[in-house]
Amino acid sequence: DTAVSQTPKYLVTQMGNDKSIKCEQNLGHDTMYWYKQDSKKFLKIMFSYNNKELIINETVPNRFSPKSPDKAHLNLHINSLELGDSAVYFCASSHGKSDPSGTDTQYFGPGTRLTVL
Amino acid sequence: GQNIDQPTEMTATEGAIVQINCTYQTSGFNGLFWYQQHAGEAPTFLSYNVLDGLEEKGRFSSFLSRSKGYSYLLLKELQMKDSASYLCAVRGYGQNFVFGPGTRLSVLP
Repeated sequence: DTAVSQTPKYLVTQMGNDKSIKCEQNLGHDTMYWYKQDSKKFLKIMFSYNNKELIINETVPNRFSPKSPDKAHLNLHINSLELGDSAVYFCASSHGKSDPSGTDTQYFGPGTRLTVL
Repeated sequence: GQNIDQPTEMTATEGAIVQINCTYQTSGFNGLFWYQQHAGEAPTFLSYNVLDGLEEKGRFSSFLSRSKGYSYLLLKELQMKDSASYLCAVRGYGQNFVFGPGTRLSVLP
């Protein structure tokens, strides 16, 4: 009964290809996120969705397009992959503003290691 | 702008106490989080501070001073399994989270 799951775990692809990463959470959370962690281990937020609506869109190339078909899923599609896209991508979820504790702790998925050759 | 600073690496001995500092300058503040991340794994939640003072959770404690833009994570009775990266993160306005660069802690026997 994994809380936040991502597929695939590893993705190796050629420059210029288009790929997708899927994320699902079974915690009943309202908010989901995508983060990129580069080789220096810096974790940077890319997108955040609340109840299927985009609420945060950091300075990310428009080759990256998130899609949330329902509040339990947030997928990331990447067009025309570049070498610099190689990183670990983490999906996360949290209660959002509805968190009764007010903490709004994020729960992270296992990560997808993307390697662009 | 948003800026969070942490030491890059720290080393300590099994059984000892270690303090990992975090300083931040963010455009909004709605709480500070500490996460632990073992190599090759996802970050996991350790602690949360939104008011000034100390929060204690077993071997882990976290302190916050909002006026100084400063927090620390205190780990007591260090164990080998505590070797990991420790990430400080600030929640700004809305659901915007900014993470620090992380501190890699090595616990030696």
